Amino acid sequence: GEDVEQSLFLSVREGDSSVINCTYTDSSSTYLYWYKQEPGAGLQLLTYIFSNMDMKQDQRLTVLLNKKDKHLSLRIADTQTGDSAIYFCAEYQGAQKLVFGQGTRLTINP
Amino acid sequence: DAGVIQSPRHEVTEMGQEVTLRCKPISGHDYLFWYRQTMMRGLELLIYFNNNVPIDDSGMPEDRFSAKMPNASFSTLKIQPSEPRDSAVYFCASSRDTVPQYFGPGTRLLVL
Repeated sequence: GEDVEQSLFLSVREGDSSVINCTYTDSSSTYLYWYKQEPGAGLQLLTYIFSNMDMKQDQRLTVLLNKKDKHLSLRIADTQTGDSAIYFCAEYQGAQKLVFGQGTRLTINP
Repeated sequence: DAGVIQSPRHEVTEMGQEVTLRCKPISGHDYLFWYRQTMMRGLELLIYFNNNVPIDDSGMPEDRFSAKMPNASFSTLKIQPSEPRDSAVYFCASSRDTVPQYFGPGTRLLVL
């Protein structure tokens, strides 16, 4: 099928690390993306990883890719209240077809 | 830059009425996308433009939906006639390449 799967909710304490998981469908997908949607706003492209990479780090964000298991994760280190948002993973399936997961709502507890 | 601008932010209309959603992309972005978001189906691509030309409209649900981009700074998505199942949040996004980078805040449409 075409579904990109994510858990719907994640709650973490401020200062802890957040790990948001995603499973995708097509092992030949070239790019995988993470988007962030803050309350009342549209999505914004956060980061991406090319399929020939295992890991990509960008400041507090770390993306891990396990191609064998078709598993993608986004780790946010030292989670802050400003990280509260819905995070979407998306899989580029070719021919300009970008398939989004349902989104994971990240809640930060003080 | 003000980002992607959409109007209206909220629209409530009655079944059978015409609805027009508007979008102003980020200046310099050659690609413009229209998405629809519902609880049941998540985010779906309806249509996208490159340099004001529609490239792929295979996601447009049916003939009641139409989209135009008369110039690089403006696009419309029209639904005529509207139906209750069209109720959703409609996003416009723009980018410098084929993957949407910045989304607008969305138009929340409710068709009664």
